[in-house]
Amino acid sequence: AQSVTQLGSHVSVSEGALVLLRCNYSSSVPPYLFWYVQYPNQGLQLLLKYTSAATLVKGINGFEAEFKKSETSFHLTKPSAHMSDAAEYFCAVSREGSQGNLIFGKGTKLSVKP
Amino acid sequence: EADIYQTPRYLVIGTGKKITLECSQTMGHDKMYWYQQDPGMELHLIHYSYGVNSTEKGDLSSESTVSRIRTEHFPLTLESARPSHTSQYLCASRRGASGNTIYFGEGSWLTVV
Repeated sequence: AQSVTQLGSHVSVSEGALVLLRCNYSSSVPPYLFWYVQYPNQGLQLLLKYTSAATLVKGINGFEAEFKKSETSFHLTKPSAHMSDAAEYFCAVSREGSQGNLIFGKGTKLSVKP
Repeated sequence: EADIYQTPRYLVIGTGKKITLECSQTMGHDKMYWYQQDPGMELHLIHYSYGVNSTEKGDLSSESTVSRIRTEHFPLTLESARPSHTSQYLCASRRGASGNTIYFGEGSWLTVV
Protein backbone atom coordinates (compact mmCIF):
# COMPACT_ATOMS: atom_id res chain seq x y z
CA ALA A 1 0.00 0.00 0.00
CA GLN A 2 1.16 3.51 -0.70
CA SER A 3 1.73 5.95 2.12
CA VAL A 4 3.41 9.22 3.01
CA THR A 5 5.16 10.14 6.24
CA GLN A 6 6.00 13.71 7.12
CA LEU A 7 8.51 14.01 9.94
CA GLY A 8 7.69 16.85 12.29
CA SER A 9 4.18 18.17 12.68
CA HIS A 10 5.54 21.61 13.46
CA VAL A 11 8.72 23.30 12.22
CA SER A 12 9.82 26.74 13.33
CA VAL A 13 12.53 28.77 11.58
CA SER A 14 13.77 32.32 11.71
CA GLU A 15 13.19 34.65 8.80
CA GLY A 16 16.05 34.20 6.32
CA ALA A 17 16.93 30.72 7.55
CA LEU A 18 16.83 27.51 5.55
CA VAL A 19 13.49 25.73 5.40
CA LEU A 20 13.59 21.91 5.34
CA LEU A 21 10.37 19.92 5.48
CA ARG A 22 10.77 16.16 5.38
CA CYS A 23 8.68 13.66 3.45
CA ASN A 24 9.19 9.94 2.99
CA TYR A 25 6.98 7.77 0.85
CA SER A 26 6.16 4.13 0.37
CA SER A 27 5.16 2.87 -3.06
CA SER A 28 5.52 -0.37 -4.98
CA VAL A 29 5.58 1.49 -8.29
CA PRO A 30 7.46 4.61 -9.41
CA PRO A 31 5.56 7.34 -7.62
CA TYR A 32 4.16 10.69 -8.61
CA LEU A 33 4.87 13.01 -5.67
CA PHE A 34 3.44 16.39 -4.79
CA TRP A 35 3.89 19.18 -2.29
CA TYR A 36 0.92 21.40 -1.53
CA VAL A 37 0.65 24.47 0.71
CA GLN A 38 -2.45 25.45 2.66
CA TYR A 39 -2.91 28.93 4.14
CA PRO A 40 -5.47 29.38 6.93
CA ASN A 41 -9.07 28.90 5.84
CA GLN A 42 -8.07 28.18 2.26
CA GLY A 43 -7.78 25.22 -0.06
CA LEU A 44 -4.56 23.60 -1.19
CA GLN A 45 -2.19 25.15 -3.71
CA LEU A 46 0.35 23.11 -5.63
CA LEU A 47 3.96 24.02 -4.86
CA LEU A 48 5.65 21.44 -7.07
CA LYS A 49 5.44 17.87 -8.32
CA TYR A 50 7.69 15.02 -9.35
CA THR A 51 6.59 12.92 -12.32
CA SER A 52 9.75 10.92 -13.13
CA ALA A 53 11.55 13.60 -15.11
CA ALA A 54 14.29 15.57 -13.32
CA THR A 55 14.92 14.47 -9.74
CA LEU A 56 15.38 18.07 -8.57
CA VAL A 57 12.08 19.83 -8.96
CA LYS A 58 11.66 23.59 -8.71
CA GLY A 59 8.35 25.05 -7.68
CA ILE A 60 6.70 28.32 -6.91
CA ASN A 61 7.77 30.83 -4.26
CA GLY A 62 11.39 29.65 -4.31
CA PHE A 63 10.71 26.12 -3.08
CA GLU A 64 12.33 23.03 -4.48
CA ALA A 65 12.37 19.32 -3.69
CA GLU A 66 14.67 16.45 -4.55
CA PHE A 67 13.44 12.95 -5.30
CA LYS A 68 15.78 10.33 -3.84
CA LYS A 69 14.72 6.83 -4.71
CA SER A 70 17.34 5.16 -2.54
CA GLU A 71 16.06 7.03 0.50
CA THR A 72 12.38 7.01 -0.59
CA SER A 73 12.37 10.71 0.21
CA PHE A 74 11.03 13.90 -1.32
CA HIS A 75 12.08 16.66 1.08
CA LEU A 76 11.02 20.26 0.48
CA THR A 77 13.54 23.07 0.87
CA LYS A 78 13.80 26.82 0.53
CA PRO A 79 17.10 28.65 1.06
CA SER A 80 15.67 31.67 2.86
CA ALA A 81 12.36 31.73 4.73
CA HIS A 82 9.95 34.65 4.46
CA MET A 83 7.21 35.52 6.90
CA SER A 84 4.70 34.81 4.13
CA ASP A 85 5.85 31.16 4.04
CA ALA A 86 4.07 30.45 7.33
CA ALA A 87 1.44 27.85 6.43
CA GLU A 88 0.65 24.14 6.50
CA TYR A 89 2.54 21.98 4.01
CA PHE A 90 1.33 18.62 2.76
CA CYS A 91 3.29 15.97 0.93
CA ALA A 92 1.25 13.56 -1.18
CA VAL A 93 1.65 10.55 -3.46
CA SER A 94 -0.68 9.82 -6.34
CA ARG A 95 -2.44 6.51 -5.89
CA GLU A 96 -1.50 4.00 -8.54
CA GLY A 97 -4.17 2.91 -10.95
CA SER A 98 -6.92 4.79 -12.71
CA GLN A 99 -8.34 6.35 -9.55
CA GLY A 100 -5.23 8.41 -9.08
CA ASN A 101 -6.34 10.36 -6.05
CA LEU A 102 -3.77 11.80 -3.68
CA ILE A 103 -2.72 10.09 -0.47
CA PHE A 104 -1.62 12.77 1.95
CA GLY A 105 0.79 12.96 4.82
CA LYS A 106 -0.36 14.45 8.11
CA GLY A 107 1.09 17.84 7.23
CA THR A 108 3.79 20.08 8.69
CA LYS A 109 2.95 23.48 10.07
CA LEU A 110 5.72 25.96 9.31
CA SER A 111 6.17 28.96 11.58
CA VAL A 112 8.54 31.79 10.66
CA LYS A 113 9.92 34.00 13.42
CA PRO A 114 10.95 37.58 12.70
CA GLU B 1 -4.88 29.46 -11.76
CA ALA B 2 -7.43 26.82 -10.84
CA ASP B 3 -11.07 27.37 -11.79
CA ILE B 4 -12.82 25.27 -9.19
CA TYR B 5 -15.45 26.81 -6.97
CA GLN B 6 -17.13 25.74 -3.79
CA THR B 7 -20.21 27.15 -2.10
CA PRO B 8 -20.95 27.89 0.62
CA ARG B 9 -17.55 28.70 2.11
CA TYR B 10 -18.93 28.68 5.65
CA LEU B 11 -22.14 27.14 6.93
CA VAL B 12 -23.60 26.67 10.40
CA ILE B 13 -26.68 24.47 10.53
CA GLY B 14 -28.76 22.61 13.07
CA THR B 15 -28.74 18.88 13.65
CA GLY B 16 -31.02 16.95 11.33
CA LYS B 17 -30.96 19.47 8.49
CA LYS B 18 -30.25 18.46 4.92
CA ILE B 19 -27.39 20.28 3.24
CA THR B 20 -25.72 20.28 -0.15
CA LEU B 21 -22.20 21.52 -0.71
CA GLU B 22 -21.71 22.70 -4.27
CA CYS B 23 -18.59 22.19 -6.34
CA SER B 24 -18.08 23.34 -9.92
CA GLN B 25 -15.06 23.41 -12.20
CA THR B 26 -14.72 25.10 -15.56
CA MET B 27 -11.60 23.25 -16.70
CA GLY B 28 -13.40 20.29 -18.30
CA HIS B 29 -11.70 17.85 -15.94
CA ASP B 30 -13.01 14.31 -16.01
CA LYS B 31 -11.98 13.25 -12.50
CA MET B 32 -13.36 14.94 -9.40
CA TYR B 33 -12.83 14.29 -5.69
CA TRP B 34 -14.18 15.21 -2.28
CA TYR B 35 -11.81 15.25 0.69
CA GLN B 36 -12.66 15.77 4.34
CA GLN B 37 -10.22 17.59 6.60
CA ASP B 38 -10.60 18.12 10.31
CA PRO B 39 -8.76 21.18 11.71
CA GLY B 40 -5.01 20.65 11.73
CA MET B 41 -5.30 17.17 10.30
CA GLU B 42 -4.57 15.44 7.00
CA LEU B 43 -7.03 15.10 4.15
CA HIS B 44 -9.04 11.94 3.67
CA LEU B 45 -10.78 10.99 0.42
CA ILE B 46 -14.51 10.42 0.89
CA HIS B 47 -15.84 10.34 -2.71
CA TYR B 48 -14.54 10.41 -6.25
CA SER B 49 -15.82 10.35 -9.80
CA TYR B 50 -14.23 9.26 -13.07
CA GLY B 51 -16.79 11.14 -15.14
CA VAL B 52 -20.49 11.70 -15.72
CA ASN B 53 -22.70 9.12 -13.95
CA SER B 54 -19.66 7.64 -12.18
CA THR B 55 -19.30 7.93 -8.38
CA GLU B 56 -17.32 5.85 -5.92
CA LYS B 57 -16.71 5.89 -2.18
CA GLY B 58 -13.26 6.82 -0.98
CA ASP B 59 -10.99 5.66 1.81
CA LEU B 60 -12.88 7.30 4.67
CA SER B 61 -16.41 6.14 5.30
CA SER B 62 -18.87 9.01 5.03
CA GLU B 63 -22.62 9.33 5.40
CA SER B 64 -22.65 11.87 2.62
CA THR B 65 -23.64 11.14 -0.97
CA VAL B 66 -22.52 12.64 -4.27
CA SER B 67 -23.77 12.87 -7.83
CA ARG B 68 -22.17 13.64 -11.19
CA ILE B 69 -24.83 14.50 -13.71
CA ARG B 70 -22.69 17.06 -15.52
CA THR B 71 -18.94 17.06 -16.06
CA GLU B 72 -18.46 20.37 -14.32
CA HIS B 73 -20.63 19.78 -11.27
CA PHE B 74 -20.02 17.42 -8.30
CA PRO B 75 -22.28 18.27 -5.34
CA LEU B 76 -22.07 16.56 -1.95
CA THR B 77 -25.20 16.04 0.14
CA LEU B 78 -25.83 15.21 3.77
CA GLU B 79 -29.43 14.10 4.28
CA SER B 80 -29.39 14.61 8.05
CA ALA B 81 -26.49 16.55 9.48
CA ARG B 82 -24.98 15.64 12.85
CA PRO B 83 -22.31 17.35 14.97
CA SER B 84 -19.88 14.60 13.94
CA HIS B 85 -20.10 15.97 10.38
CA THR B 86 -18.48 19.22 11.47
CA SER B 87 -15.38 19.53 9.29
CA GLN B 88 -13.89 21.15 6.24
CA TYR B 89 -14.83 19.63 2.89
CA LEU B 90 -12.49 20.18 -0.05
CA CYS B 91 -13.44 19.55 -3.65
CA ALA B 92 -10.77 18.82 -6.25
CA SER B 93 -10.44 17.90 -9.90
CA ARG B 94 -7.90 16.55 -12.37
CA ARG B 95 -7.66 15.83 -16.05
CA GLY B 96 -6.62 12.37 -17.18
CA ALA B 97 -3.56 10.56 -15.88
CA SER B 98 -2.28 10.16 -12.33
CA GLY B 99 0.70 12.47 -12.79
CA ASN B 100 -1.45 15.43 -13.67
CA THR B 101 -2.03 18.09 -11.06
CA ILE B 102 -5.07 17.87 -8.83
CA TYR B 103 -6.58 21.32 -8.31
CA PHE B 104 -8.44 22.21 -5.14
CA GLY B 105 -11.28 24.54 -4.35
CA GLU B 106 -11.10 26.82 -1.34
CA GLY B 107 -13.13 24.49 0.82
CA SER B 108 -16.46 24.53 2.63
CA TRP B 109 -16.39 24.80 6.40
CA LEU B 110 -19.40 23.02 7.89
CA THR B 111 -20.42 23.37 11.53
CA VAL B 112 -23.37 21.35 12.80
CA VAL B 113 -24.80 22.52 16.11
